[in-house]
Amino acid sequence: NAGVTQTPKFRVLKTGQSMTLLCAQDMNHEYMYWYRQDPGMGLRLIHYSVGEGTTAKGEVPDGYNVSRLKKQNFLLGLESAAPSQTSVYFCAAREPSTDTQYFGPGTRLTVL
Amino acid sequence: KNEVEQSPQNLTAQEGEFITINCSYSVGISALHWLQQHPGGGIVSLFMLSSGKKKHGRLIATINIQEKHSSLHITASHPRDSAVYICAVTDGGSQGNLIFGKGTKLSVKP
Repeated sequence: NAGVTQTPKFRVLKTGQSMTLLCAQDMNHEYMYWYRQDPGMGLRLIHYSVGEGTTAKGEVPDGYNVSRLKKQNFLLGLESAAPSQTSVYFCAAREPSTDTQYFGPGTRLTVL
Repeated sequence: KNEVEQSPQNLTAQEGEFITINCSYSVGISALHWLQQHPGGGIVSLFMLSSGKKKHGRLIATINIQEKHSSLHITASHPRDSAVYICAVTDGGSQGNLIFGKGTKLSVKP
């Protein structure tokens, strides 16, 4: 039982390149979230999903797209990376009965 | 939008000390969460509170709904408690979206 996993753990991109971050959960939770964490700021919600095939914008969605084709996977895409997207990205899955969010280990992304 | 403020930003303590971290928020909430972020980066949920007090081992969390304030206490602190402690509030919507404070960095010296 791995909980929530994220791939990759680290990535360096050049400005303008694209990439996809993968989040996978084995807990069968409907709700999944993508956050970014920047120095001196709290975690901020990028996009979220309330179930397979559904996605919604969070607080800071610009420059990102997401997809939830399968219940266990939530993908975050950067179509044209910018230095402002240098951050640590966390995925989470929520258990509604306890309102607990289970976080992945994070992906450290640097955009040069 | 709810504003979540934590104090202090940084805290250094000696092993064995009693520690208090504070969290205040601006708008009524359905629940408040305390999370711990380890030095390696991993984030784990410690407590979810909607009223009163909860205790888990040496950790105690309290919430005062009327005053829009919560505290996280650590008794008999230990160097392994060194971490960033994050307060977050649920916005009350069905999606369970969280609004996070900036965190309190705790360092416990042996």
